Amino acid sequence: EAGVAQSPRYKIIEKRQSVAFWCNPISGHATLYWYQQILGQGPKLLIQFQNNGVVDDSQLPKDRFSAERLKGVDSTLKIQPAKLEDSAVYLCASILSGNDEQYFGPGTRLTVT
Amino acid sequence: SQQGEEDPQALSIQEGENATMNCSYKTSINNLQWYRQNSGRGLVHLILIRSNEREKHSGRLRVTLDTSKKSSSLLITASRAADTASYFCATGDQTGANNLFFGTGTRLTVIP
Repeated sequence: EAGVAQSPRYKIIEKRQSVAFWCNPISGHATLYWYQQILGQGPKLLIQFQNNGVVDDSQLPKDRFSAERLKGVDSTLKIQPAKLEDSAVYLCASILSGNDEQYFGPGTRLTVT
Repeated sequence: SQQGEEDPQALSIQEGENATMNCSYKTSINNLQWYRQNSGRGLVHLILIRSNEREKHSGRLRVTLDTSKKSSSLLITASRAADTASYFCATGDQTGANNLFFGTGTRLTVIP
């Protein structure tokens, strides 16, 4: 079984630029999460999707962050414009509906200069 | 905040010794999970304990949960160099949304 795929693995941009991250969850996993992990901290939930609908985006900074999962499979997280404090690892995770164990991708390490 | 806190922040032990990490949280939970993160990689699920359970074992891992104290501990027995990683506890809330709230992590170093 293939795991959660994310790309790119690394990205360096200047502040005020835009960036997008892609995630493909495990096949059949209806629920998808995006997390932000700042260096030295635990992951913080940004947004949760159930199929193509948003379940929880209360911690997503909506003035600059957006995410979509149009067909209920893969998802894109976008930051526009980026700030220095957005430097972090962005993790994608998925679960089978009703299963509590989350499966994480390798993450995208974003550096904003 | 629903986020948990791990203690200690860092732990260094010799190979073969046992490692104990603690997690405290603030709100009522549905379950508590422990994850491992190797440097530069994603998180790997280790074990899940539900709010009505007190202890659970998986291989060299032993997890306890005390809901009255809102705390959990993770014991790794007979540690190996490959256990070197950051360990996070994550609490699952009671909303049914399966959201996880992660702690700040314990950095474990096992010296060969």
